[in-house]
Amino acid sequence: SYVLTQPPSVSVAPGQTARITCGGNNIGSKSVHWYQQKPGQAPVLVVYDDSDRPSGIPERFSGSNSGNTATLTISRVEAGDEADYYCQVWDSSSDHYVFGTGTKVTVL
Amino acid sequence: QVQLQESGPGLVKPSQTLSLTCTVSGGSISSGSYYWSWIRQPAGKGLEWIGRIYTSGSTNYNPSLKSRVTISVDTSKNQFSLKLSSVTAADTAVYYCARRFGEGAFDIWGQGTMVTVSS
Repeated sequence: SYVLTQPPSVSVAPGQTARITCGGNNIGSKSVHWYQQKPGQAPVLVVYDDSDRPSGIPERFSGSNSGNTATLTISRVEAGDEADYYCQVWDSSSDHYVFGTGTKVTVL
Repeated sequence: QVQLQESGPGLVKPSQTLSLTCTVSGGSISSGSYYWSWIRQPAGKGLEWIGRIYTSGSTNYNPSLKSRVTISVDTSKNQFSLKLSSVTAADTAVYYCARRFGEGAFDIWGQGTMVTVSS
């Protein structure tokens, strides 16, 4: 089955840029979606279709996708961005959704 | 705006069937081209998609759970439901219902409900 690999953790200082990668075989051919999940809360969609933002999501959140890697970029990181982040795609070969392994973002 | 709310027993005995319902409010479950999914998350672990249903009744399931999962929809009640049979402790998790839109993103989630499998 299709596997999405994320780094377990990313640490970033406030005001700096955090980049979270999501690796998958030819992921560039798929639409990638990203979620932010804070402790005890449901996930929140922050980027969809590789690089679009739902209404209400700050422009600081952006996404890209090419080749075997998709990336979520958080610019001008704030303390409130500290959370777990998950990527997600639809695996058409087996007709099911796949989530990445998740990345914990720590704001130093 | 559309909201989702999970409901069901918080404790299920091993080998029994877990049953949960997701109630859709603020809109019709039948409107738009939406799929409705169940997703779960064991404590301290990642997200796992369980399955989805379209209002026509068409379903898709995670291959790893397919033999034990049934998802159904009741449009008259604006609800969809999950049944997971022969549960074990490994099925202990927070269970979320969610709406899929567009190319497959989940834009609306329920708050989640904790289900523990224990005797």
